[in-house]
Amino acid sequence: DTAVSQTPKYLVTQMGNDKSIKCEQNLGHDTMYWYKQDSKKFLKIMFSYNNKELIINETVPNRFSPKSPDKAHLNLHINSLELGDSAVYFCASSQVPQGGEPQHFGDGTRLSIL
Amino acid sequence: AQSVTQPDIHITVSEGASLELRCNYSYGATPYLFWYVQSPGQGLQLLLKYFSGDTLVQGIKGFEAEFKRSQSSFNLRKPSVHWSDAAEYFCAVGAAGNQFYFGTGTSLTVIP
Repeated sequence: DTAVSQTPKYLVTQMGNDKSIKCEQNLGHDTMYWYKQDSKKFLKIMFSYNNKELIINETVPNRFSPKSPDKAHLNLHINSLELGDSAVYFCASSQVPQGGEPQHFGDGTRLSIL
Repeated sequence: AQSVTQPDIHITVSEGASLELRCNYSYGATPYLFWYVQSPGQGLQLLLKYFSGDTLVQGIKGFEAEFKRSQSSFNLRKPSVHWSDAAEYFCAVGAAGNQFYFGTGTSLTVIP
C-alpha cells in the first residue's frame, strides 16, 4: 500500500501549457504539502493544507494553484508553464500541522518543460 | 530566521567504512530535528527524528544522530556503510507554525 501517491510520475510538456499533478494519501493525515525540488536538489515548500484549508502559501507565482477536495487529496494545477518550472514536485503529508511532526513523502513528479 | 546548513555537498566513502554527515541549524528555541534519505528517483524517507530527551537517537537502517545544543549540530552517523546507502541525505528543522526547513543535502557515494 502506497502511503502518499502522486500521478503522474513523469510529465513532459511544452511551454505555455496547463498541467495538473495529483496527490493522495491513505495515512489518515490531516495535513498535506507541496514541495519543489530544483536541479540542485534544494527543497522548498510551496503550499500546505490542513483539513482542506490553506495554511502555508509561500511566494510562488499565481500560475500555481493547489486544490484540496478532501483531506486525503491535494492537487497542484499549473497554468502557462515556463522553462523555470522544470523540477521535481513532491507531495507530503503529516498527521497534524506542527513542525514536530515528520512528513511522509510521495515519490515525486518530474516535470520537464520543452 | 531558521536555517539548516549541510556543509558537505558530496561525500565519498568506502564500503564498510564509518560515516558522519554534518548538519548545523539556526533556531531560537529547541528545534525538532530530522534526517531524511532520498534514493534516486524516490521520495524522501525519514531516517530518524529528535524532539527532546536523550540526545543520541537511533534510526532505521543502522543510522544514529547526536543532538549537540552547544554546537547547534545534529550530525548523522553510521558505523559501517553499505553500498545501498548511496543516496542524498537531508537534514531538516521543524519549527512552530508548521514550518519545515531542509538543508541543501549531502550526496553520498559508496565505493566498493
